[in-house]
Amino acid sequence: QVQLQESGPGLVKPSGTLSLSCAVSGVSISSDNWWSWVRQPPGKGLEYIGEIYHSGSINYNPSLKSRVIISVDKSKNQFSLKVSSVTAADTAVYYCARVSQTSRHFDYWGQGTLVTVSS
Amino acid sequence: EIVLTQSPGTLSLSPGERATLSCRASQSVSSSYLAWYQQKPGQAPRLLIYAASSRATGIPDRFSGSGSGTDFILSISRLEPEDSAVYYCQQYGSSPLTFGGGTKVEIK
Repeated sequence: QVQLQESGPGLVKPSGTLSLSCAVSGVSISSDNWWSWVRQPPGKGLEYIGEIYHSGSINYNPSLKSRVIISVDKSKNQFSLKVSSVTAADTAVYYCARVSQTSRHFDYWGQGTLVTVSS
Repeated sequence: EIVLTQSPGTLSLSPGERATLSCRASQSVSSSYLAWYQQKPGQAPRLLIYAASSRATGIPDRFSGSGSGTDFILSISRLEPEDSAVYYCQQYGSSPLTFGGGTKVEIK
C-alpha cells in the first residue's frame, strides 16, 4: 500500500527558507512515477509546485521556479522541497503526491502539512 | 498555461438529486490528461476520475466523467450526504499542470 508522509517545520520566518520532506512507503521512489508537491493556501484552491523523477529530472511551475528546489534521496526513499525567500503568501498546506504515469494524475497523496510564514 | 474554469462556484442540492459540475479549459486538453478530485475539509484531495471518464479504484459508479477538447463534466447521480465537498478538475496535457478553482457541492 503506497503511503506518503510530509514532515518539516510548521513555522517559517519571512525571507527564510521553507523545507519539507516526503517519506514514501509501500513502493520504491525509483519506480516509474513522478513525485510532486502541491500546495493550498487556507480557504483557497490547489497549486502545483513541481515534480521530480528518480533520475533527477524536474519540472517546476514557472510561477515559483525561481524560488523552488525539489530533490530526491533514493537511499531514504524520500523527496524534498525547498522554497526560498518566503512571504505570508507562501502560507499553505503543502501536500506531496505521486503522479501516475498513465494519465498524469495524482493517485496517492500525503495528508498534508500546514506551513505558516510569520515572524 | 491552460486555465481551467469551474462552474458553478457552489451547487446546493438535495439528497437523491443529480449534480452536474463543469470544467472549461482555455485551450484544448487531451482527454487522457483530465482528472477530477474530491476534497473534504481537513483532508487531502481524493482522486475520483482520470483520463476524463475512468473511475479510480473504489469510487462508486454514481460518479462519472465525460467531455473532450475544452469542455468536461463531472456528474454525481443520486447525491448522498457524504458527497458534500469541493471538487477540482486538473489537467496535465500541457505544462505546467493546472487545477480549476473548484466547485463546492452542498447537500441541503
